[in-house]
Amino acid sequence: AQSVTQPDIHITVSEGASLELRCNYSYGATPYLFWYVQSPGQGLQLLLKYFSGDTLVQGIKGFEAEFKRSQSSFNLRKPSVHWSDAAEYFCAVGALDYGQNFVFGPGTRLSVLP
Amino acid sequence: EAQVTQNPRYLITVTGKKLTVTCSQNMNHEYMSWYRQDPGLGLRQIYYSMNVEVTDKGDVPEGYKVSRKEKRNFPLILESPSPNQTSLYFCASSSGQGREKLFFGSGTQLSVL
Repeated sequence: AQSVTQPDIHITVSEGASLELRCNYSYGATPYLFWYVQSPGQGLQLLLKYFSGDTLVQGIKGFEAEFKRSQSSFNLRKPSVHWSDAAEYFCAVGALDYGQNFVFGPGTRLSVLP
Repeated sequence: EAQVTQNPRYLITVTGKKLTVTCSQNMNHEYMSWYRQDPGLGLRQIYYSMNVEVTDKGDVPEGYKVSRKEKRNFPLILESPSPNQTSLYFCASSSGQGREKLFFGSGTQLSVL
């Protein structure tokens, strides 16, 4: 079964600074990888996803993520953070197996200082 | 507009009083799932359904029931709620297997007193 870890529970950055949120996964085959964002009081919204091909994927709101098979990682990055990026971010793994299709990490809460 | 609709948005109840949280999607999705979100634990899957009349347990199914009699609806039933089921619940749907994104409802904040 797949699993996801997000080592950072809470990160604080200043507006305009760069951001990297870490995600590590465990899965026997090439996984489908996702980043979702949850703004306060809202449901989850997809930021980006990786299936295959180019290991650097672009998403909405200026986010990107890089898949590194050797490190089993799928870290999310943004070159310049905006105050509106303050939210909770979830990394998720999808699988081809019939069964528990999606597994989410515990989430990283991002705070942005003015 | 493509959406997943959950009701109610907020619910306060007492221990042992049966309740149902409804979930409906208008995208003809085969896959539907229920999650609960607790601080520090992220989203944990309760039950999922790959298609009509096909349901299976997720990580934390104890104390919950689901049914999938129609493709669009996937209600979550708490037969005898307990305080440890106080949580934020999300319904989600997807058009396919693990490569397709999940569409989430707006959530149901449940408090069991």
